[in-house]
Amino acid sequence: DGGITQSPKYLFRKEGQNVTLSCEQNLNHDAMYWYRQDPGQGLRLIYYSQIVNDFQKGDIAEGYSVSREKKESFPLTVTSAQKNPTAFYLCASSIPAGGYNEQFFGPGTRLTVL
Amino acid sequence: QKEVEQNSGPLSVPEGAIASLNCTYSDRGSQSFFWYRQYSGKSPELIMFIYSNGDKEDGRFTAQLNKASQYVSLLIRDSQPSDSATYLCAVITGSGGYQKVTFGTGTKLQVIP
Repeated sequence: DGGITQSPKYLFRKEGQNVTLSCEQNLNHDAMYWYRQDPGQGLRLIYYSQIVNDFQKGDIAEGYSVSREKKESFPLTVTSAQKNPTAFYLCASSIPAGGYNEQFFGPGTRLTVL
Repeated sequence: QKEVEQNSGPLSVPEGAIASLNCTYSDRGSQSFFWYRQYSGKSPELIMFIYSNGDKEDGRFTAQLNKASQYVSLLIRDSQPSDSATYLCAVITGSGGYQKVTFGTGTKLQVIP
């Protein structure tokens, strides 16, 4: 089955720790995205990548880092510089083509800072 | 002004009624428009997309786009309790290169049995 997987489903972090959220897709999509969702809020873009070895900051990139060494994988690191990291993190992928850009979402990782 | 605006709700409708969800956007160059449904604690799933002015129907769902007025709406006919969720509007701008996707904050729909 094609799809996007994220792990872990739940993650607990102590203050001052860096943590890495995994995102893998087997849809052969070129573009991948990381979003953050806070309670009652929409999705805010953290980082996106259109091709391997290239990525761009989104609207709220401070305190986060990413890598895109393989087409299938786009891990997100939440660093200690992110002051309020508790949120629901969603990874998505798409084939950007023309004006059509349906994004397929993974199941999400819920991060809690203890 | 937010780029994509939605009424947060909750919008309550009785079972069997028509639910009308609205979304306005600020960028006149926006090209395509998506409606996602998100159940509590879950990830968004695509309901419909629309590019052209007018209506697009898919089963109980109808998307309506009016580019002149910069709004897009989603109608859900014969609403069911299983339709209770948050509905996110997403707007695509740009062409070629990176197409920016902007999400609204979502409208929470409650269908009352």
